[in-house]
Amino acid sequence: DAKTTQPPSMDCAEGRAANLPCNHSTISGNEYVYWYRQIHSQGPQYIIHGLKNNETNEMASLIITEDRKSSTLILPHATLRDTAVYYCIVRDRYNFGNEKLTFGTGTRLTIIP
Amino acid sequence: NAGVTQTPKFQVLKTGQSMTLQCAQDMNHNSMYWYRQDPGMGLRLIYYSASEGTTDKGEVPNGYNVSRLNKREFSLRLESAAPSQTSVYFCASSERPQGTNEKLFFGSGTQLSVL
Repeated sequence: DAKTTQPPSMDCAEGRAANLPCNHSTISGNEYVYWYRQIHSQGPQYIIHGLKNNETNEMASLIITEDRKSSTLILPHATLRDTAVYYCIVRDRYNFGNEKLTFGTGTRLTIIP
Repeated sequence: NAGVTQTPKFQVLKTGQSMTLQCAQDMNHNSMYWYRQDPGMGLRLIYYSASEGTTDKGEVPNGYNVSRLNKREFSLRLESAAPSQTSVYFCASSERPQGTNEKLFFGSGTQLSVL
């Protein structure tokens, strides 16, 4: 699976949109981009995933560049409860025999009141 | 639904002691995983079970064994605990569809200290 690069930390004002970047320049055509987050002391929580089209759900939006080498997770109206470590992961959609996700160190997002 | 349940939540061991971490999921998922998380290192996969009856090594399997007891339960055993195994352990599960919606669902973790 392709490696990802994320900034180690970011701050965002409460109520503003939080934009978390992820670089995955070696991504292959079969690999999806997944985002998880981990609030302090809890297990990681799935947020969203996508292949090449932009995706939106009740939690966030995922914008993937046309060349798929990078993506941005957008939390449209950040709240204090969004303070967490956010992980960007890529994995092969056809890798059914090896269904594991590799988590890096992520981005620590702090929402400022 | 409880989701993924791990026991115990906290454990302190002495070097050389053995113990088993238990994990159960009630979502009828086929795949289950054990991760460990050390400060500043993200999550690292220890072992996983793609389906009932199968287990495979992950990134850091040394010092651990696993058992997929049935579809619901996946245990992690430390035969002779070492201080290097002090960590927070997370169990997770996922469906194994032919499609692409392979979300992982995590338990709340076990904080293990080996003295």
